[in-house]
Amino acid sequence: AQTVTQSQPEMSVQEAETVTLSCTYDTSESDYYLFWYKQPPSRQMILVIRQEAYKQQNATENRFSVNFQKAAKSFSLKISDSQLGDAAMYFCAYRSALLVGAGSYQLTFGKGTKLSVIP
Amino acid sequence: DADVTQTPRNRITKTGKRIMLECSQTKGHDRMYWYRQDPGLGLRLIYYSFDVKDINKGEISDGYSVSRQAQAKFSLSLESAIPNQTALYFCATSRGQLDEQYFGPGTRLTVT
Repeated sequence: AQTVTQSQPEMSVQEAETVTLSCTYDTSESDYYLFWYKQPPSRQMILVIRQEAYKQQNATENRFSVNFQKAAKSFSLKISDSQLGDAAMYFCAYRSALLVGAGSYQLTFGKGTKLSVIP
Repeated sequence: DADVTQTPRNRITKTGKRIMLECSQTKGHDRMYWYRQDPGLGLRLIYYSFDVKDINKGEISDGYSVSRQAQAKFSLSLESAIPNQTALYFCATSRGQLDEQYFGPGTRLTVT
């Protein structure tokens, strides 16, 4: 079974600065997808960024980028020019790329990192 | 309008009561999921459905049942609620197996 570990329960960043959230995962599969979801106080789960394991290039979405290290099974999220609206819980998640089998449907989540943005 | 809606948004109920949480989507997705979120534990899958006639248990299905009334509707029931079912419940949808899952706003359920 896959596991996802977020070792930083809480982090803080000064507004306009850069912060990196860590995520590691354990899998025996070679093809899979990794995600970062944001959960603001409104509770809504919002997809921030997605990375396909077969792609060597790191995904970016505006101020959000990832550092995907497949051999190290590491998937960190970098937020540049942090804004007050970035304050939220951030969840790393894994999903198999298998089309059949017990793991093919399931998102496996880490426990989350609470990010505070200091004005 | 939201693509994935959940009702109610908040609910307090007593131990032993039956309760139903409802999820509707206008995204036209065939796949729907129910997750539970507990503090410090992230989200865990309760049930999932790939179409109206295909319903499957997830990681933590004990104490729950589901009904897929139509492609757009997927309900989660607690037949006899217990306090450790107090949690935040999310419905999600996806178009295909490899597509992103889109989440509803969540239902906060408290069982006293």
